[in-house]
Amino acid sequence: DQQVKQNSPSLSVQEGRISILNCDYTNSMFDYFLWYKKYPAEGPTFLISISSIKDKNEDGRFTVFLNKSAKHLSLHIVPSQPGDSAVYFCAASTGGYQKVTFGIGTKLQVIP
Amino acid sequence: GAVVSQHPSWVICKSGTSVKIECRSLDFQATTMFWYRQFPKQSLMLMATSNEGSKATYEQGVEKDKFLINHASLTLSTLTVTSAHPEDSSFYICSGGMRGSWGSPLHFGNGTRLTVT
Repeated sequence: DQQVKQNSPSLSVQEGRISILNCDYTNSMFDYFLWYKKYPAEGPTFLISISSIKDKNEDGRFTVFLNKSAKHLSLHIVPSQPGDSAVYFCAASTGGYQKVTFGIGTKLQVIP
Repeated sequence: GAVVSQHPSWVICKSGTSVKIECRSLDFQATTMFWYRQFPKQSLMLMATSNEGSKATYEQGVEKDKFLINHASLTLSTLTVTSAHPEDSSFYICSGGMRGSWGSPLHFGNGTRLTVT
């Protein structure tokens, strides 16, 4: 049973445009959500997070939106840059960073 | 930022042999280490959680006698795949966290690609 779902395996976006990566979850006990970025042959690196008490968190070009009623979150990247091309993992946990559950990842390609 | 060094980055071994993977936290004390495994086209799956100085807690379906985890210090955790078989071929990755840091993101190693022939 996959508790964190990323239904789009890949996404292509033109440089300068907005990239929207989506994530759905099924476990209503999750109260902390994270996005990680992963380049080939490297481990995931933390990008941005949001707790369940918020519905939006912004950090530079990256914004995460949380819709608790729909159990849905999304990551917006504006403007998209070629260096953003990577696999993005959505992750969720209960009570902090312990036992983070990952989605399968979405491969983003930003076309120059 | 915090760095977790994982070695080796890739390893090929023969069926029946054992392989040890090391994870070191270089600039922070990793009171907790998480070990994940990723098969092709699947997500990172948590295998086990280890706290420094205590036994690891394994997720359901993960054989603790096959995947030996040692977390003897605040900067080093090891995963030993014993009597490896081809089905153990996978991408193994560790991550470290600090006790009491609610909401602090995990810091990942670069992973180890294990191929068992």
